[in-house]
Amino acid sequence: DTGVSQDPRHKITKRGQNVTFRCDPISEHNRLYWYRQTLGQGPEFLTYFQNEAQLEKSRLLSDRFSAERPKGSFSTLEIQRTEQGDSAMYLCASSFSGQGTGELFFGEGSRLTVL
Amino acid sequence: TQLLEQSPQFLSIQEGENLTVYCNSSSVFSSLQWYRQEPGEGPVLLVTVVTGGEVKKLKRLTFQFGDARKDSSLHITAAQPGDTGLYLCAGDSRYSSASKIIFGSGTRLSIRP
Repeated sequence: DTGVSQDPRHKITKRGQNVTFRCDPISEHNRLYWYRQTLGQGPEFLTYFQNEAQLEKSRLLSDRFSAERPKGSFSTLEIQRTEQGDSAMYLCASSFSGQGTGELFFGEGSRLTVL
Repeated sequence: TQLLEQSPQFLSIQEGENLTVYCNSSSVFSSLQWYRQEPGEGPVLLVTVVTGGEVKKLKRLTFQFGDARKDSSLHITAAQPGDTGLYLCAGDSRYSSASKIIFGSGTRLSIRP
């Protein structure tokens, strides 16, 4: 296992289109997080899963955003009817809750550009 | 809402100088983590501090967790150009009903040769 992988690395889309990002976490990790990061800022929490259960979703997230982790392994983040303000780097991270301190291992991110 | 504020936002210093980055919150965290992020990559964990007052050293980097578990600092001695990057603190809000890790706004560090 080489770490957390995200796909695609880059996505350019037109406003109003739907986009979906995929994250494959480290295989033994039961927690999976999605963050959004804009240039020069820290990652902003979007949502996280423990196994297949979505435990929390940011109130900042509109209904256009949805995330799933159907079998407790990979996860998808879908953005419907994209807006220019959605342009950002979308980061996925995984961790193992049994470690106690929740260290996150990040993927390289999926960069979204909405024209 | 839990917020982690980092200061300074930007720091540009000469190679060989010392610096300190601060991470403050009004909330208590069960642990505090520091990450470094390079352009185009995800953040990479540097250290986790768990106990109030804890100090950890990683070569020229010294991390401290406040006694009340609300703040942390990162001190770099004799900075080198390889230390350049975005430094992020992150708090684990395990005390709340839903444990999640939130990040500060980051400190962008530039070390001039």
